[in-house]
Amino acid sequence: GAGVSQSPSNKVTEKGKDVELRCDPISGHTALYWYRQSLGQGLEFLIYFQGNSAPDKSGLPSDRFSAERTGGSVSTLTIQRTQQEDSAVYLCASSLGLAGYNEQFFGPGTRLTVL
Amino acid sequence: QQQVKQSPQSLIVQKGGISIINCAYENTAFDYFPWYQQFPGKGPALLIAIRPDVSEKKEGRFTISFNKSAKQFSLHIMDSQPGDSATYFCAASKSNYQLIWGAGTKLIIKP
Repeated sequence: GAGVSQSPSNKVTEKGKDVELRCDPISGHTALYWYRQSLGQGLEFLIYFQGNSAPDKSGLPSDRFSAERTGGSVSTLTIQRTQQEDSAVYLCASSLGLAGYNEQFFGPGTRLTVL
Repeated sequence: QQQVKQSPQSLIVQKGGISIINCAYENTAFDYFPWYQQFPGKGPALLIAIRPDVSEKKEGRFTISFNKSAKQFSLHIMDSQPGDSATYFCAASKSNYQLIWGAGTKLIIKP
């Protein structure tokens, strides 16, 4: 079946603009994660959705970042008033259930460049 | 206490050699330790994982060694090949808790 898909694959924007990044998880996966990966760096956790529970937003770096997940499926990560330091690859992952023991399946990422 | 420390940051190994990447953790409640492999331009993918009830798990050329008393685990890649060149992430978690990720190791296998 289809894996996790993300769109757009690349996004170039000007400082101060808002951007929306989309993630389509694997069908039936109840958990969805957003990560940020700067060039050559590790994975920075941003936010985690699990079923109908309140999302874990503990990793969002500022109030310019927000995310929602509609109908327990598609998720959108929104960055308002983008800054140059927001430039990175944004990765989405989904898993079957609770985070601890379930394999996370990653999408290919969205490369965001803020000029 | 929630950190997972990974080393080295980068590693160069000759083709056919053994690649070894190490991770250490503090939280003794962690009971699931996966390794993910990431190729350039791709998202990470699960490579192999271990639970602390065993000291070693082998899948093909990839082996996880686990030392519960030292709170360390490592990935060994035997007969390393150029196609193994990638970034490797270790992680740890416990039930109902999300993964805590290591910082990653960039592995280069020289032909």
